[in-house]
Amino acid sequence: GDSVTQMEGPVTLSEEAFLTINCTYTATGYPSLFWYVQYPGEGLQLLLKATKADDKGSNKGFEATYRKETTSFHLEKGSVQVSDSAVYFCALKSGGSNYKLTFGKGTLLTVNP
Amino acid sequence: EAGVTQFPSHSVIEKGQTVTLRCDPISGHDNLYWYRRVMGKEIKFLLHFVKESKQDESGMPNNRFLAERTGGTYSTLKVQPAELEDSGVYFCASSQGQTGAYEQYFGPGTRLTVT
Repeated sequence: GDSVTQMEGPVTLSEEAFLTINCTYTATGYPSLFWYVQYPGEGLQLLLKATKADDKGSNKGFEATYRKETTSFHLEKGSVQVSDSAVYFCALKSGGSNYKLTFGKGTLLTVNP
Repeated sequence: EAGVTQFPSHSVIEKGQTVTLRCDPISGHDNLYWYRRVMGKEIKFLLHFVKESKQDESGMPNNRFLAERTGGTYSTLKVQPAELEDSGVYFCASSQGQTGAYEQYFGPGTRLTVT
């Protein structure tokens, strides 16, 4: 079945540091890939997505590129801020389902001033 | 526009008791989903409604869980009787359209603790 494996946290960085959170997947067909973020006390929010190979999703300074050859969708940001502190979830929708999201375990990011 | 709301935000119950979680989707969203995150594990799909009909309940763990969406508006998820392993965060999401292909908007979750 479909699965998502993401870097286990927690991750602690200083402000302006470079961020990478690794995500790899196993899926049938050609999945769409997503990063969701959950800020403290809030629901999950879609951060970015990519629907086909080599697509790059980007939002709020975050980027991730859909790499079919390595089945990966790593999240990166060049300079993190304290306000980026949150839990980040990698997820996919496989070709067999256009509604069911399969998530990774989540990575807690803490950014210190 | 109000987002997805869930009630309660936190519930603590004893093993064997009953708990009912409520989700109010974004107005006009026909699709409603329930997911669950057990501590330290992935967020897992439980089920999907289109309006009042269950489209897919393949993720429901067992028959102690009952989800309803009468009238196609809000939904409830009842756990009866609750077991220790039911502890976790229950998320609700909703999306527009008829096929579920659109972005899912999530609520803040209900944290359920079974002691």
